[in-house]
Amino acid sequence: AQKVTQAQTEISVVEKEDVTLDCVYETRDTTYYLFWYKQPPSGELVFLIRRNSFDEQNEISGRYSWNFQKSTSSFNFTITASQVVDSAVYFCALKGAGGFKTIFGAGTRLFVKA
Amino acid sequence: GAGVSQSPSNKVTEKGKDVELRCDPISGHTALYWYRQRLGQGLEFLIYFQGNSAPDKSGLPSDRFSAERTGESVSTLTIQRTQQEDSAVYLCASSLNRDLPEAFFGQGTRLTVV
Repeated sequence: AQKVTQAQTEISVVEKEDVTLDCVYETRDTTYYLFWYKQPPSGELVFLIRRNSFDEQNEISGRYSWNFQKSTSSFNFTITASQVVDSAVYFCALKGAGGFKTIFGAGTRLFVKA
Repeated sequence: GAGVSQSPSNKVTEKGKDVELRCDPISGHTALYWYRQRLGQGLEFLIYFQGNSAPDKSGLPSDRFSAERTGESVSTLTIQRTQQEDSAVYLCASSLNRDLPEAFFGQGTRLTVV
């Protein structure tokens, strides 16, 4: 069975703080994909990043960075110098390479206060 | 089209009536997903279509729910004899293929059963 756990339900930070959103996954597949999505107050889900299971390199994109560790089955997302516009619900997701469905974690709601 | 398109964007229906929700995926995308998102909740998987393979219907909550997809184009999600607990945002997503599995979402259909 596949499972994605986002233990943090809500996080509140002050602008310019760094914040890390945790994601832990379970899968029996040896090849799989992990994703992060952002859902701003407007409601539409926005794809942020995909990571393949065979590529454990960390990735940085501007203020966003992702730390993928197979040893701990984690795929954490860090926002550096957070901004009010980062306020959203962030979802971590998992898909087996065999073409199976993508399953989502429960999401973490991030509030960034000015 | 440029993105995933869903219609209608909002639907209010009386309890007991049937509703049809439509999804136009991104052209050329072989996989199509339906998810349900209740207010303040995460994404609940409903059904997944991949090319001409048999769909994965494991997430459909009851036999009142059904979905069809013609080839690799439009999909319709039908809810028969709607109940108040069916009120939610229904999200459709598509992905290109197994090598580019990230899903791109439509804006959703907000269904309200009164």
